[in-house]
Amino acid sequence: ETGVTQSPTHLIKTRGQQVTLRCSSQSGHNTVSWYQQALGQGPQFIFQYYREEENGRGNFPPRFSGLQFPNYSSELNVNALELDDSALYLCASSLDSSNTEAFFGQGTRLTVV
Amino acid sequence: SQKIEQNSEALNIQEGKTATLTCNYTNYSPAYLQWYRQDPGRGPVFLLLIRENEKEKRKERLKVTFDTTLKQSLFHITASQPADSATYLCAPRGTGNTPLVFGKGTRLSVIA
Repeated sequence: ETGVTQSPTHLIKTRGQQVTLRCSSQSGHNTVSWYQQALGQGPQFIFQYYREEENGRGNFPPRFSGLQFPNYSSELNVNALELDDSALYLCASSLDSSNTEAFFGQGTRLTVV
Repeated sequence: SQKIEQNSEALNIQEGKTATLTCNYTNYSPAYLQWYRQDPGRGPVFLLLIRENEKEKRKERLKVTFDTTLKQSLFHITASQPADSATYLCAPRGTGNTPLVFGKGTRLSVIA
């Protein structure tokens, strides 16, 4: 158990819809990162939040957005869903330092039809 | 832009042998390099972290090396077991609170 939980575990949405994925980080972890993992690929970095501010973003369009809350929970929002958004979405929490490990949730499997 | 390459998508070895996985990076000077294990449908799990001034790090049957001149890390599993079968991901990382960026991973299969 990593202490990081994600909800829901599975989700099916229709193209064009919007989706919100949720993550509960480990207590005390000020940094949360979100990743998209397509089948057979490594996790692709979407963005990172530190103390409720975005402090890093990967190569994803603005329709991918996020929020981090003071209670160590966070959200990933995706608007105007496309078929290619179908993937495993992972969140990871960590302390605010590069020499520490990241703790991942079990992921949310999103299918866009 | 940063590029992270892991030697092969899949690696098959016999039980008891040593598995060696390679991670190469370009356009990057990481201060740390982390290795994770990922099982199908699960999130990655941290295994080892090595600093740029460390040549080698060991943990039980695992060994990681870090060569900043070659821009390469090697990950070894000695006396491999079928339970070691998984995808292994490397993630070089800069200083400060920089994001963790992964390679594509190498899928290891240990055959009994």
